[in-house]
Amino acid sequence: KQEVTQIPAALSVPEGENLVLNCSFTDSAIYNLQWFRQDPGKGLTSLLLIQSSQREQTSGRLNASLDKSSGRSTLYIAASQPGDSATYLCAVIGVDNSGNTPLVFGKGTRLSVIA
Amino acid sequence: EAQVTQNPRYLITVTGKKLTVTCSQNMNHEYMSWYRQDPGLGLRQIYYSMNVEVTDKGDVPEGYKVSRKEKRNFPLILESPSPNQTSLYFCASSLFAGRTEAFFGQGTRLTVV
Repeated sequence: KQEVTQIPAALSVPEGENLVLNCSFTDSAIYNLQWFRQDPGKGLTSLLLIQSSQREQTSGRLNASLDKSSGRSTLYIAASQPGDSATYLCAVIGVDNSGNTPLVFGKGTRLSVIA
Repeated sequence: EAQVTQNPRYLITVTGKKLTVTCSQNMNHEYMSWYRQDPGLGLRQIYYSMNVEVTDKGDVPEGYKVSRKEKRNFPLILESPSPNQTSLYFCASSLFAGRTEAFFGQGTRLTVV
């Protein structure tokens, strides 16, 4: 069964720093990987989607990479800002035995950017 | 605006009183699903639907029902809620199962007393 792990569980950095969030998964047979942001008490906002055939995706200050063979993804945030403070969730999409394609989530990295 | 809309956002109810959480998407997506989020357990899939009239169980379906009579709507039904169903619930949709971006609603915080 697919398992997704995110390290670290929490991270606190001063404003302006570049940072990397890590995600690993146990089964490399995935369709794609998606990074989300969750603010306290709020819904999930999609940040980046990486198809299994892609190596990376960029959106503004965010860059996500995918190494499917080693079961790893990283989310790079450049020049962090206090508004980046949130929980970041990694989810992989594969196919289970019934043909379902659920998102399997990690438990997230809680990021605090200090002004 | 493309979105997934859940209602209500907050709900407090008593054990055994049937309730429905609605979910609607305006993107003509085929695949819809429900997740619950609990501290220490993360997000887990409850039910999913590949298309109209096609639904099936996810990882934690006990105590829940769903229906998909129209493409845009996917309500979650708790026939007899219990306190262990207190959780944060999310509805999600994507154009097709698996290969396309998933969009989530704003969540419904349910408390069962």
